[in-house]
Amino acid sequence: GAVVSQHPSWVICKSGTSVKIECRSLDFQATTMFWYRQFPKQSLMLMATSNEGSKATYEQGVEKDKFLINHASLTLSTLTVTSAHPEDSSFYICSARGSDQPQHFGDGTRLSIL
Amino acid sequence: QKEVEQNSGPLSVPEGAIASLNCTYSDRGSQSFFWYRQYSGKSPELIMFIYSNGDKEDGRFTAQLNKASQYVSLLIRDSQPSDSATYLCAVKGMGNTPLVFGKGTRLSVIA
Repeated sequence: GAVVSQHPSWVICKSGTSVKIECRSLDFQATTMFWYRQFPKQSLMLMATSNEGSKATYEQGVEKDKFLINHASLTLSTLTVTSAHPEDSSFYICSARGSDQPQHFGDGTRLSIL
Repeated sequence: QKEVEQNSGPLSVPEGAIASLNCTYSDRGSQSFFWYRQYSGKSPELIMFIYSNGDKEDGRFTAQLNKASQYVSLLIRDSQPSDSATYLCAVKGMGNTPLVFGKGTRLSVIA
């Protein structure tokens, strides 16, 4: 089946640090990638949608200058959390969809800001 | 606003029974329908998708779609304790739009 790889799986860093998370589609071309955030015992929250070669579309309330998304190729998207603070601690999950592939999720990145 | 509704549960079934998970959606233009399973602390995993009215079977799982009633369901036969998880219903409209997720139904299979 389709595989989406997300790295790193766990990050612990100091407040003010910028953190980059990578998402790769390993066996299909991801025309669209999505970034979600999930707090404990809560629903998935869509943060942004990105199409290869285009600027990401952010959901209402998500700061685009804080959560930088790059989707430079059909197999790679990155999310950079700039100047992270403790309130940014969460489970970040990427997801990818191809022209003939349903949406699959990466394993997620657990981000803890001290 | 497009909405997907699911009973939050928990839905408790004994081991070996059939678990029935239901979902309704508001957008009549919805084209594709998905069921994801999410274990606690893990990311969602796609288990079934269905595009046409009727039933679609895959192993112990059967997805059922009724577009006229705007209703989609997932049946899990011979439920196992390892099926205990939150099941997310997701719906996609026309074009390159994001999935709209329900809040999920928590299933507990009792051994």
